[in-house]
Amino acid sequence: DIQMTQSPSSLSASVGDTVTITCRASQDIRYHLGWYQQKPGKAPERLIYGASSLQGAFPSRFSGSGSGTEFTLTISSLQPEDFATYFCQQHFSYPPTFGQGTKLEIK
Amino acid sequence: QVQLVDSGGGVVQPGRSLRLSCAASGFSFSRYGMDWVRQAPGQGLEWVASISYNGGRKLYADSVRGRFTISRDNSKNTVYLQMNSLRAEDTAVYFCAKDAGYGDAGPFFDHWGQGTVVTVSS
Repeated sequence: DIQMTQSPSSLSASVGDTVTITCRASQDIRYHLGWYQQKPGKAPERLIYGASSLQGAFPSRFSGSGSGTEFTLTISSLQPEDFATYFCQQHFSYPPTFGQGTKLEIK
Repeated sequence: QVQLVDSGGGVVQPGRSLRLSCAASGFSFSRYGMDWVRQAPGQGLEWVASISYNGGRKLYADSVRGRFTISRDNSKNTVYLQMNSLRAEDTAVYFCAKDAGYGDAGPFFDHWGQGTVVTVSS
């Protein structure tokens, strides 16, 4: 199975800050990496597919990059509604595997 | 719009069984693969099982293979997860999730159910 290592596990930031979350794969997954946002008590929501394709109704302050084994999610100009937990997931092969999550908290 | 409604969770003793259901609407259900993903309390996400659009291919996580069975009824727009021989470590919120169908080798989930809680305890 492909192991996904996400860092940091938690992050404290202020409204208006820019933050970056990293996800590393244990083998080359090309660009087959997605990100989800999850708020407490809710299901995850798709955020980014294919490493960099922004999904759904998420604003352009969210961006994804990377390929191969290293990927990043950047959130610029943080807004109050962005404080949540973020998970990466490889969609390169079965079984699909997730990073352990990054909890983004308000400083 | 796409809606997935999970149901069937509850409290069950170790060794017993439970069947989860996920009722889908708002899309052509029979064209998409469907999955179950679970989240133990305070933990991350773990993929459990996948079923192809027509039910012809079923895949399972090692942790549940031989105990859980995924199935679907395209006439009822519903996917199921039959869980047998339940263990304490199966305690989690179980989400059904729709494969976006982008054609990759692995699934990416574009819609999720609200989740149903399964607690395995004596």
